[in-house]
Amino acid sequence: DAGVIQSPRHEVTEMGQEVTLRCKPISGHDYLFWYRQTMMRGLELLIYFNNNVPIDDSGMPEDRFSAKMPNASFSTLKIQPSEPRDSAVYFCASSLSYRGYPDEKLFFGSGTQLSVL
Amino acid sequence: KQEVTQIPAALSVPEGENLVLNCSFTDSAIYNLQWFRQDPGKGLTSLLLIQSSQREQTSGRLNASLDKSSGRSTLYIAASQPGDSATYLCAETGTGTASKLTFGTGTRLQVTL
Repeated sequence: DAGVIQSPRHEVTEMGQEVTLRCKPISGHDYLFWYRQTMMRGLELLIYFNNNVPIDDSGMPEDRFSAKMPNASFSTLKIQPSEPRDSAVYFCASSLSYRGYPDEKLFFGSGTQLSVL
Repeated sequence: KQEVTQIPAALSVPEGENLVLNCSFTDSAIYNLQWFRQDPGKGLTSLLLIQSSQREQTSGRLNASLDKSSGRSTLYIAASQPGDSATYLCAETGTGTASKLTFGTGTRLQVTL
């Protein structure tokens, strides 16, 4: 398996523009997580899905952020409008479920480095 | 809000040395604790996971311990190699929040020749 695949690897945009980040989880994994990593705040969980359904989006910073998972093999994280403070590395991760909980071992993608000018 | 702290933020050791990375957490109802490795420009790789009922886990030259009573975990790396150079992060999951990992800010390790 190719692992968790994220695109694009780098995104540079101007303030106010819409940004869409994409993720393909490992086939068969039924949990998908979006994390954001910054120097100041470290890694933060934004939202996670189970079987394509959003379970907890309490980490989504503002209404400007939205995430979807239309099917088991694809998810998007959208920021509209983008702001300079959104600049960070955004990671997608997936895992198997086990006894109703995620099989705690997470598999991370390589991330998208977002720069909002 | 649960907090996870890692000290030191950076560490440099000569090749061959044994070393210990520290992780402290405030969650008294921890479900498990994981250690991850992150290489520059890459995602995280899970190294070891310790359930709350366990005291330690081992994988090759790595050994992770968990002391719930003191809120501490350590990652021991034996006979360090330059290839071990990376950032190491610990993350805890609380009981009842099985899907939410709270990460530390990491320790950046450099193993020199």
